[in-house]
Amino acid sequence: DVKVTQSSRYLVKRTGEKVFLECVQDMDHENMFWYRQDPGLGLRLIYFSYDVKMKEKGDIPEGYSVSREKKERFSLILESASTNQTSMYLCASRESSGRLPYEQYFGPGTRLTVT
Amino acid sequence: DAKTTQPTSMDCAEGRAANLPCNHSTISGNEYVYWYRQIHSQGPQYIIHGLKNNETNEMASLIITEDRKSSTLILPHATLRDTAVYYCIVRVNYGGSQGNLIFGKGTKLSVKP
Repeated sequence: DVKVTQSSRYLVKRTGEKVFLECVQDMDHENMFWYRQDPGLGLRLIYFSYDVKMKEKGDIPEGYSVSREKKERFSLILESASTNQTSMYLCASRESSGRLPYEQYFGPGTRLTVT
Repeated sequence: DAKTTQPTSMDCAEGRAANLPCNHSTISGNEYVYWYRQIHSQGPQYIIHGLKNNETNEMASLIITEDRKSSTLILPHATLRDTAVYYCIVRVNYGGSQGNLIFGKGTKLSVKP
């Protein structure tokens, strides 16, 4: 089975801190994604990565950056955490395009609280 | 914005079939219908997908109308563990940003004993 793991289930940080959220997948998937999920807003795509060192902005990239130095690892960085970044963060991965189903495999999520 | 419309919530008795509707009236010819679900405190999980024909797998059945403007996900014998938010998503089947999943608000299905 595909496994997507995230470094923490729960995280509490202070305003202004630099925050790193780590995601690792074990299926050699080319594509990886970071979402945030908020009540009433559903899942929103922050960034995604086609392959190592490749990235593209999603719908809400402001205040975030990403790093993909190795294929299995995709990091989300909050340069200076703010209270409005308190959320559930979900990582996902999938094989590259062209094969059905277009199935993304999700990690368990990290619930980040910024105080 | 998501291109689908789903009821906010539904209830289902344990052991009965759960039928979750989805409207996607603006679906284009090369877009597939996908269903995911998210059980509380977990990441979303793929269930099933289809283009034109009805589909069935070990988890569920997907019924797509002939005009493709709506579909129904059927869980034939719902259990308490099927309580979750169910997302209906339409997407094209190729990569790049055009092919990303767009999650709407989904339907919260509550299976009751």
